[in-house]
Amino acid sequence: SQTIHQWPATLVQPVGSPLSLECTVEGTSNPNLYWYRQAAGRGLQLLFYSVGIGQISSEVPQNLSASRPQDRQFILSSKKLLLSDSGFYLCAWSVGQLYYGYTFGSGTRLTVV
Amino acid sequence: GENVEQHPSTLSVQEGDSAVIKCTYSDSASNYFPWYKQELGKRPQLIIDIRSNVGEKKDQRIAVTLNKTAKHFSLHITETQPEDSAVYFCAASRRSGYSTLTFGKGTMLLVSP
Repeated sequence: SQTIHQWPATLVQPVGSPLSLECTVEGTSNPNLYWYRQAAGRGLQLLFYSVGIGQISSEVPQNLSASRPQDRQFILSSKKLLLSDSGFYLCAWSVGQLYYGYTFGSGTRLTVV
Repeated sequence: GENVEQHPSTLSVQEGDSAVIKCTYSDSASNYFPWYKQELGKRPQLIIDIRSNVGEKKDQRIAVTLNKTAKHFSLHITETQPEDSAVYFCAASRRSGYSTLTFGKGTMLLVSP
């Protein structure tokens, strides 16, 4: 069966520090991968999505970047965190069409202090 | 791009009552409308979806209705139970190869015993 792993679960980082969040999917090939941010416990904002290795689409210009070095690995990064980067970050995957059948990871709660 | 508005932002009902959450969308070409439920601190999960060739869909105590002319769709929960308490997100998309989901901002449903 397919599973999605996302870590860490919780992260507290100082302003200006770098960030790396990792997401991996098991049990499927060539998934579509997504990074969402949920600020203040509400609203799902799509940050990035990827349909294949090295292919990244950005939805919102910001302080973050994403990479997909392997088929089932998706990484969210920042060189210098801002206070406004705090939130709940969710990775998700789907197979086939980009709009259908999202499965979300368990999320990373990031607090920038 | 697509814009999805969701109302109300918070909804409190007594156990056994019905709850209705409404969403409107802007892109008349959208034809896929899923609903996700997110319990406190957990990941969003798909609970029901509807496609534009169907006006209503039911699954036990939950139902979704769609009015394409008015560009709105609604989630109906009957005989609410405390375990229905969660944040509910509507979403919309075109059923095309490169369309991602656009989510509403969510409705926090609180069911009191």
